[in-house]
Amino acid sequence: SQTIHQWPATLVQPVGSPLSLECTVEGTSNPNLYWYRQAAGRGLQLLFYSVGIGQISSEVPQNLSASRPQDRQFILSSKKLLLSDSGFYLCAWSVEVGNQPQHFGDGTRLSIL
Amino acid sequence: AQSVTQPDIHITVSEGASLELRCNYSYGATPYLFWYVQSPGQGLQLLLKYFSGDTLVQGIKGFEAEFKRSQSSFNLRKPSVHWSDAAEYFCAVGGSGGYQKVTFGTGTKLQVIP
Repeated sequence: SQTIHQWPATLVQPVGSPLSLECTVEGTSNPNLYWYRQAAGRGLQLLFYSVGIGQISSEVPQNLSASRPQDRQFILSSKKLLLSDSGFYLCAWSVEVGNQPQHFGDGTRLSIL
Repeated sequence: AQSVTQPDIHITVSEGASLELRCNYSYGATPYLFWYVQSPGQGLQLLLKYFSGDTLVQGIKGFEAEFKRSQSSFNLRKPSVHWSDAAEYFCAVGGSGGYQKVTFGTGTKLQVIP
């Protein structure tokens, strides 16, 4: 069966520091991968999605970036964090064919001080 | 552009009572519709999905949803709520024909009182 792992679960970082959140999927090949940010009362905001290695689409301009160095690995990064980057970050995957349901990791709670 | 509206931000029901969470969508063609549940501090879990066919869809944990094209709605229902159903529920819409973005509603937080 397929599983998705996201880490760390919780992260506290100072303003201006770098960021790297990692997500890996097991049990499937060539998945679509997604990064979302969730803010209270605002639902899920799609940040990036990827349909293949090295293929990244950005939905919202910001100081975050994403990379997909391997088929089942998706990384969310920042060179310098802002206070506004605080939030709950969710990684998700779906099968490559059609518009199938997305399956989510357990999320990372990021607090910027 | 596609959109999802969940008009109820917060709902409180008594344990054992029936539940209906509302979802209205906007999409130009036949939509793919989903309901997810999120417990505090956790990711989202898929409850059910509608792609085509029977407009009454059964999901996990005793939930069902009905697709009504004429009303652009996809309401989630459960006949008898359990305390463990307390969580936040998200409706989502996507399109067919290759990859298209899935849009999520802002969620409805369900509180269950004994």
